[in-house]
Amino acid sequence: AQSVTQLDSHVSVSEGTPVLLRCNYSSSYSPSLFWYVQHPNKGLQLLLKYTSAATLVKGINGFEAEFKKSETSFHLTKPSAHMSDAAEYFCVVSDLAGAGSYQLTFGKGTKLSVIP
Amino acid sequence: DARVTQTPRHKVTEMGQEVTMRCQPILGHNTVFWYRQTMMQGLELLAYFRNRAPLDDSGMPKDRFSAEMPDATLATLKIQPSEPRDSAVYFCASGLVQLAGANFYNEQFFGPGTRLTVL
Repeated sequence: AQSVTQLDSHVSVSEGTPVLLRCNYSSSYSPSLFWYVQHPNKGLQLLLKYTSAATLVKGINGFEAEFKKSETSFHLTKPSAHMSDAAEYFCVVSDLAGAGSYQLTFGKGTKLSVIP
Repeated sequence: DARVTQTPRHKVTEMGQEVTMRCQPILGHNTVFWYRQTMMQGLELLAYFRNRAPLDDSGMPKDRFSAEMPDATLATLKIQPSEPRDSAVYFCASGLVQLAGANFYNEQFFGPGTRLTVL
């Protein structure tokens, strides 16, 4: 069985300061990991994905995430927050659990606020 | 720019009425998912299809919800009869599941959602 824990339900940063959104996962197999972003009243948009290639993954809008198998973590970072980054972020895991299972398991989300 | 489309974007209805939500997946994708999002429960998987066949609908209340894919370009989610507790945003997502060597790809692309309000 797979699971995702987003360690913070709400993170608040000042504009121009670094962003760190934390995610830990558990998976029985080699997982695929994703970060999705949801702006208010919008659908979910893929930020970046890890699929067992490079452990440091670069995504859109300056975000990146590092897969650390020993720590079962996939934290999302950005060097400098922008006002437009204010949104909810979901960490997601998927693996080959069972025959033909293609489900994504979503974390509960972290709401990022950016203070001017 | 290929996108998942959903109609209607907003629906207000009265308790007891039938509601039908539609989704057009991205052409060529072989999986379609229906999710429900509420403040209390977050994002819940209701059902999903692979190659138009239902694989799992265990997240769906079967007595009132039904999901179908009449063809590769259309997925529907119906609620009959609707209840106030069904008020939520319903998302459709499509993806292309692939195995390439040891790698497993199943990125999902989400539609904009249908905001349902049942009075």
